[in-house]
Amino acid sequence: AQTVTQSQPEMSVQEAETVTLSCTYDTSESDYYLFWYKQPPSRQMILVIRQEAYKQQNATENRFSVNFQKAAKSFSLKISDSQLGDAAMYFCAYRSGLNYGGSQGNLIFGKGTKLSVKP
Amino acid sequence: ETGVTQTPRHLVMGMTNKKSLKCEQHLGHNAMYWYKQSAKKPLELMFVYNFKEQTENNSVPSRFSPECPNSSHLFLHLHTLQPEDSALYLCASSQETQNSPLHFGNGTRLTVT
Repeated sequence: AQTVTQSQPEMSVQEAETVTLSCTYDTSESDYYLFWYKQPPSRQMILVIRQEAYKQQNATENRFSVNFQKAAKSFSLKISDSQLGDAAMYFCAYRSGLNYGGSQGNLIFGKGTKLSVKP
Repeated sequence: ETGVTQTPRHLVMGMTNKKSLKCEQHLGHNAMYWYKQSAKKPLELMFVYNFKEQTENNSVPSRFSPECPNSSHLFLHLHTLQPEDSALYLCASSQETQNSPLHFGNGTRLTVT
């Protein structure tokens, strides 16, 4: 079975600085997808960024980027120029590819990292 | 404003009560999901509906009963719950294609007394 581990329950960053959130996963599959979701106090889970395992290039979305190390099964999220609105819970998630019977909503989530942004 | 709306936002119920959670999506998606988020535990997928048909039930107790009358609405009927069922229940929707992301609602905070 696949597992997702976020080893940092809480992190803190100064506004305008850069922070990296860690995520490791365990799988024997070769076809899968990885995601980072943000959950602010409003409770809505918002997709931040996603990575297809077959792509070697790290995904980037504005101030958010990932460091995808497939061999090490590591998928960290880097937030640059941190803003107060970035304060939230961040969840790393894994989804099997269709070749392994993965369905769109069957995500395996980590326990999350609470990010605080200091003004 | 989210395209996925959940009501009520908060719910307190006794163990003998019967209540329902409602989810509505205005995004034209064909798949809908119920997730459970408990304190200090990872998000857990409960049910999946594709084109109104239930395609997954992740060993959820029968005291939780989903209903999907059409592709825009999803309900979770609750009866004889236990205190350990207290959690945030999140609804999500998506297009059932490989690269379509999930869109979540704001959840219903359920407390069972």
